[in-house]
This record gives sequence, C-alpha cells and structure tokens, in this order.
Amino acid sequence: ETGVTQSPTHLIKTRGQQVTLRCSSQSGHNTVSWYQQALGQGPQFIFQYYREEENGRGNFPPRFSGLQFPNYSSELNVNALELDDSALYLCASSLGLAGDTGELFFGEGSRLTVL
Amino acid sequence: DAKTTQPTSMDCAEGRAANLPCNHSTISGNEYVYWYRQIHSQGPQYIIHGLKNNETNEMASLIITEDRKSSTLILPHATLRDTAVYYCIVRVDTGANNLFFGTGTRLTVIP
Repeated sequence: ETGVTQSPTHLIKTRGQQVTLRCSSQSGHNTVSWYQQALGQGPQFIFQYYREEENGRGNFPPRFSGLQFPNYSSELNVNALELDDSALYLCASSLGLAGDTGELFFGEGSRLTVL
Repeated sequence: DAKTTQPTSMDCAEGRAANLPCNHSTISGNEYVYWYRQIHSQGPQYIIHGLKNNETNEMASLIITEDRKSSTLILPHATLRDTAVYYCIVRVDTGANNLFFGTGTRLTVIP
C-alpha cells in the first residue's frame, strides 16, 4: 500500500453530467498529480498541484479542473462528461516537485463509466 | 521527453530471470530512465531509475547501455506476483510529475 487513497472507487455518470473525484495524498507529501488511464492504454498526465496551485498540465481541455487543499488532499472535477471520459483516474503523490527520486506513489484509482 | 519502444508482451518461467528491454534511441543527456509496473486493478508502482550507471535495488536491476540508447530491467527471480504491465519512461527532472507511460510490456510469469 502507498498510503494514497481515492474515492469513490467506482461510479457511473451520464453524458453532460459533472463528476468530482477525491484523493488523499501520502502523509507528508505536498504534491498531487492526476492521470487518466483508458482501457488498454498507459496513464496520461492531466495536471499536478503543488502547494495548492496548479503546476503543470497535460493535453486536457479546461473542463478538467482541480483543487488542492491546505492538507494537500486534492479533487479532480470533470464537467460536461463525454463518453470518452470513461477511464480509470489515478492520483499520485510525491514530496516536492517530482522529489529527488522522481518516485510517485499512486492510489488504486477511481473507475468512471459515462453512459 | 524522449519516446520509448517496448515489446508488447513477454512470458517468463517462475523462478527464472525476467529481462525486459526498452529502446530509447533519442534520449538526451539529461534524461533519466524510469521503470514502473502496474499490476491488474492497481495503480502504477515505482521500480527503479537511473541516468548512466547500472542500478540495483531490492526489486530489480537496471542495465543501461554505454550509449544510453537502450536499457534492460531485470527481475532476478520472477514470481507469479510479478505478472504485470511494465512501463519504461524517460524524463528530465524538470520538477513536473508528467510521466509519459506509453503502453508498456505485459509480462506474464508462468508456473
């Protein structure tokens, strides 16, 4: 176990709805990254938060947004859901920006199905 | 970050060494080679990383060629629990956690 917890583990939404996914980072970690993993593909970087500010973003539209709270937990929000948003959403935490080792600690993900 | 090329799948007998190759012929001098793995229904797990020298830890060994254009991850005594997708990633330590995972190698350890 990495100490990174995500909720909910599974959820189903319909097109056009909005979803919020939550992540509690490993104790002492101040950086959280979010990844999207479509079926059969590797994870794709969405964005990261460092000390409550977005610090780096992948090729995802603005309807993907996030927050990081003072306790370093984080939320991923997706508006106007599309069928292609169906995926496993992974949260990863680290100490500092990538840390000295570049080691990220991943949670087990939230599986989103959009119907 | 440089692109990597890995075989789609590999098999390995339990108890034998698993050697997973990765090609990164366009790697730059300041890019590190990282390996992660993802066991079914779990998040990716860090294994090892290196720049130029070979590295070893409790999980695996990383062998990087002298020209740094390819590397091999070695699991010395594969077990059934090592069945997973293994990702080879090259990245610069820019401070952003934007790892490019690709599709990886699916390793199946056979009893």
